[in-house]
Amino acid sequence: DADVTQTPRNRITKTGKRIMLECSQTKGHDRMYWYRQDPGLGLRLIYYSFDVKDINKGEISDGYSVSRQAQAKFSLSLESAIPNQTALYFCATSGWFRGGETQYFGPGTRLLVL
Amino acid sequence: QKEVEQDPGPLSVPEGAIVSLNCTYSNSAFQYFMWYRQYSRKGPELLMYTYSSGNKEDGRFTAQVDKSSKYISLFIRDSQPSDSATYLCAMGGGTSYGKLTFGQGTILTVHP
Repeated sequence: DADVTQTPRNRITKTGKRIMLECSQTKGHDRMYWYRQDPGLGLRLIYYSFDVKDINKGEISDGYSVSRQAQAKFSLSLESAIPNQTALYFCATSGWFRGGETQYFGPGTRLLVL
Repeated sequence: QKEVEQDPGPLSVPEGAIVSLNCTYSNSAFQYFMWYRQYSRKGPELLMYTYSSGNKEDGRFTAQVDKSSKYISLFIRDSQPSDSATYLCAMGGGTSYGKLTFGQGTILTVHP
């Protein structure tokens, strides 16, 4: 089974709708992250959480909110979706690896806002 | 100016070629450096991890870090069609505690 899972894998929604993307992990990591990926822009950090009570904004948090329901679960919400939020969204966890941190990614959610 | 700049842009090479991917960065506090590989419709997966200046080799892949020049590279020898993917550099540590900064990614196509 995958260590980091995301649901749904694909979603089509309309402008103005509220949607939630969910992430679960079995790696036992405290730190979790939400990114969006757009062609030519790499991965941009939306929100991150170092534990259940510690949630922080990333570089592009406007229009998004998150909820950390448990150590293993981190959800991303688009309160009122707009077309420029069409992107590929990734959840990640972070763990120590050979003296530093590295991140482990889920399979992604492809979101289309019409 | 972006904190991490990755080049080249989309790259197409014949099978067997040597591929060179590069990233420059501006934050001298970065301490560890990674390369991720991302296949189409998949999440990025860790390919190489380095902590210090110098070279690290793993099979056909070599990661090179030059902290004095703020420059990292990934070399792929004897490239194969299965290497076709997007490659992302990433770096972290120091003032970026708990976060990674990614390059824009390079789309590599290796044709038979």
